[in-house]
Amino acid sequence: NAGVTQTPKFRVLKTGQSMTLLCAQDMNHEYMYWYRQDPGMGLRLIHYSVGEGTTAKGEVPDGYNVSRLKKQNFLLGLESAAPSQTSVYFCASSGWDVKNIQYFGAGTRLSVL
Amino acid sequence: AQSVTQPDIHITVSEGASLELRCNYSYGATPYLFWYVQSPGQGLQLLLKYFSGDTLVQGIKGFEAEFKRSQSSFNLRKPSVHWSDAAEYFCAVGEVFQAGTALIFGKGTTLSVSS
Repeated sequence: NAGVTQTPKFRVLKTGQSMTLLCAQDMNHEYMYWYRQDPGMGLRLIHYSVGEGTTAKGEVPDGYNVSRLKKQNFLLGLESAAPSQTSVYFCASSGWDVKNIQYFGAGTRLSVL
Repeated sequence: AQSVTQPDIHITVSEGASLELRCNYSYGATPYLFWYVQSPGQGLQLLLKYFSGDTLVQGIKGFEAEFKRSQSSFNLRKPSVHWSDAAEYFCAVGEVFQAGTALIFGKGTTLSVSS
């Protein structure tokens, strides 16, 4: 049982480059989330999705885009990476109710030079 | 807006000693509360959760937490800490947004265990 899988695990970008982070879950969860984690800041919600084809902004959405074309996948895109986007990115998924536990992936460590 | 405060950035506890990590929340209604743990280089793992009912909840790895509405707190406790408990701990509150639900996290408390 894989749970939530994130690819890649590590990535180094130059300023201005683009990339896509992939999150896949095999638990048939309706909700999926992207967070970023920075030292001393905890986890902050970037975007989330309540179902296939629907997305919404979280606390820190600027500079990111997302897509959920399939229920099991949630993509996070950086169109023009900036050093301020150096961070660890976590994907999570959960059922539809606020009581549902969020299950997290292992994270993607991104450095933008 | 809802918020979660973890007043202690870093705590060091001797192995075998008791532990209490503090969490305060700001929420208008009855909150759904969670504690997650993150080991170095890993994702987050749920320790325990509170939705309603008994205010003392038991979790995995011998942890427990007590919900105190009057103090807006949800402190995490463990009677005897093991070296493997060294990690970062996050308190979170479930929030209903216009488009759905999500978690609001505190900034975390790093636990070090000394021998």
